[in-house]
Amino acid sequence: GENVEQHPSTLSVQEGDSAVIKCTYSDSASNYFPWYKQELGKGPQLIIDIRSNVGEKKDQRIAVTLNKTAKHFSLHITETQPEDSAVYFCAASKGNYGQNFVFGPGTRLSVLP
Amino acid sequence: KAGVTQTPRYLIKTRGQQVTLSCSPISGHRSVSWYQQTPGQGLQFLFEYFSETQRNKGNFPGRFSGRQFSNSRSEMNVSTLELGDSALYLCASSLEAGGTDTQYFGPGTRLTVL
Repeated sequence: GENVEQHPSTLSVQEGDSAVIKCTYSDSASNYFPWYKQELGKGPQLIIDIRSNVGEKKDQRIAVTLNKTAKHFSLHITETQPEDSAVYFCAASKGNYGQNFVFGPGTRLSVLP
Repeated sequence: KAGVTQTPRYLIKTRGQQVTLSCSPISGHRSVSWYQQTPGQGLQFLFEYFSETQRNKGNFPGRFSGRQFSNSRSEMNVSTLELGDSALYLCASSLEAGGTDTQYFGPGTRLTVL
């Protein structure tokens, strides 16, 4: 089955710097890749997603890139702010009937003021 | 539009008891998936329901079960609780079944088994 790896497990950046989190997946049939942000005491919140027919997607300070050949996708956060501090999860899905999301182990991002 | 709601938010049970958790999806969403989140295992898929039918099931023992009602609300039940069942249980709703429709998560139910 699908396996999703995520790196790094923890990341500390200075406010205003950029943060990059990378995920790799094993199943080349996976075609949908969402990113979630989870703050303490809350459920994961979708922040951006990308489908396999797109190489890059951007939403203000957040962008995701996908390399289907290498089977990896990355989250880029620019101009980080303290409120970006949270745990970020990537996920992969094949989208077929009955297939569901496999999540990475998460990255704890700390933005230092 | 209201988000996914889960009740109760917190539960404390003892070993051997059973528990029922409830999830109300976003209005119009027909699919509800359940996940278990623990520090050691991360987010693990339990099962998905769509149109009152279980469409997919993760690798959990039969003590974990669920159901979905005609209004798309879902419940999950854990019988004969074990200490290792202590976790955050999350449900997520999406418009359709399968894995490429955006899933929206609820706040979770924190279950503690003593």
